[in-house]
Amino acid sequence: DAGITQSPRHKVTETGTPVTLRCHQTENHRYMYWYRQDPGHGLRLIHYSYGVKDTDKGEVSDGYSVSRSKTEDFLLTLESATSSQTSVYFCASGGGNVEKLFFGSGTQLSVL
Amino acid sequence: DAKTTQPTSMDCAEGRAANLPCNHSTISGNEYVYWYRQIHSQGPQYIIHGLKNNETNEMASLIITEDRKSSTLILPHATLRDTAVYYCIVRIGSNYKLTFGKGTLLTVNP
Repeated sequence: DAGITQSPRHKVTETGTPVTLRCHQTENHRYMYWYRQDPGHGLRLIHYSYGVKDTDKGEVSDGYSVSRSKTEDFLLTLESATSSQTSVYFCASGGGNVEKLFFGSGTQLSVL
Repeated sequence: DAKTTQPTSMDCAEGRAANLPCNHSTISGNEYVYWYRQIHSQGPQYIIHGLKNNETNEMASLIITEDRKSSTLILPHATLRDTAVYYCIVRIGSNYKLTFGKGTLLTVNP
């Protein structure tokens, strides 16, 4: 499987604090994604990137920002975390025609 | 991208073939059908994809109807480890924005 790692794996934070999740891939994939997964909603796309410094919004982007300054890293930032952002966050990457996405193991974020 | 419809859940006996249907009646000619699965608490895993022809790999077979309005993912000999949520996704090859629906929870029973 592709080398894709997420950090941290678990995080507990307080409402109003900034949070940054990191996704790192070693496959030189062009495309990277951030999803969140909640019971009853399945996987929902937050933001995605189609190249260094090229990003776009997904279906649930409000309250989130992303940055991609290097091919291998895609950062997801919650500027001011809210309890509604408690979720499991998955990062994914893919190359070429995006035929296959490779997913990380997820980050469990709890906002108290 | 075209919308897909999948049953919420299905059961299958261990050792039997699991046939997971997906309806994509609004699919256009240049849209591919993709299947992923997600085993509990893990990240999703790519299974297979196709455009028009049936496809087979080491994990599964994908059967696409001639009018391309529906497809079936076949796991030929389901095992307990195949218990997972299976997602059917339709997208244009040049569209790298991949969105997932709620999928089908397949439970393989001993």
